[in-house]
Amino acid sequence: AQSVTQLGSHVSVSEGALVLLRCNYSSSVPPYLFWYVQYPNQGLQLLLKYTSAATLVKGINGFEAEFKKSETSFHLTKPSAHMSDAAEYFCAVKMDSNYQLIWGAGTKLIIKP
Amino acid sequence: DADVTQTPRNRITKTGKRIMLECSQTKGHDRMYWYRQDPGLGLRLIYYSFDVKDINKGEISDGYSVSRQAQAKFSLSLESAIPNQTALYFCATSGAGSQPQHFGDGTRLSIL
Repeated sequence: AQSVTQLGSHVSVSEGALVLLRCNYSSSVPPYLFWYVQYPNQGLQLLLKYTSAATLVKGINGFEAEFKKSETSFHLTKPSAHMSDAAEYFCAVKMDSNYQLIWGAGTKLIIKP
Repeated sequence: DADVTQTPRNRITKTGKRIMLECSQTKGHDRMYWYRQDPGLGLRLIYYSFDVKDINKGEISDGYSVSRQAQAKFSLSLESAIPNQTALYFCATSGAGSQPQHFGDGTRLSIL
């Protein structure tokens, strides 16, 4: 069965530091890849998506992610963390246009002042 | 107004009660989904519908049923609620192919 692994249920960084949230998937073919963010008491909001165009994808709020086929990874980064980035982040993978999204368990990003 | 609207936003009820959660959308999408979210488990798909006449079970459909009343409306029912159905429930919509899903703000359901 296909799976998505997000390394670390909680990640803590200092304000201004690099943010790196890891996502690995199991698939033999390049899938569609998504990162979502969930702020407290809200639904999930799309941060960015990869759909077989450029391997480096830029999203909202200064986030970006790089698709690495050889590593089956789609890690999310942001050069400088801001307090407003504190939220839970979910990686999701879609193997085919008619398949369902497969979700990672989520990573809570904590920003230290 | 929100593109995907869920009602109610919060609900507390007792074991054995029938509950309906409603979702409506103004995005014009054919595809609609119901998920539940539990801490540490991410999102799990309960049911999904690719159009009004196409409804499919997800990975955790036992104890739930759905109705797609129109393209814009997709409701989730718990026929006889039990405490382990206490969770945050999300409705989502999408277009076809690689289009991302768009989420409502969720319904927090507590079953005592």
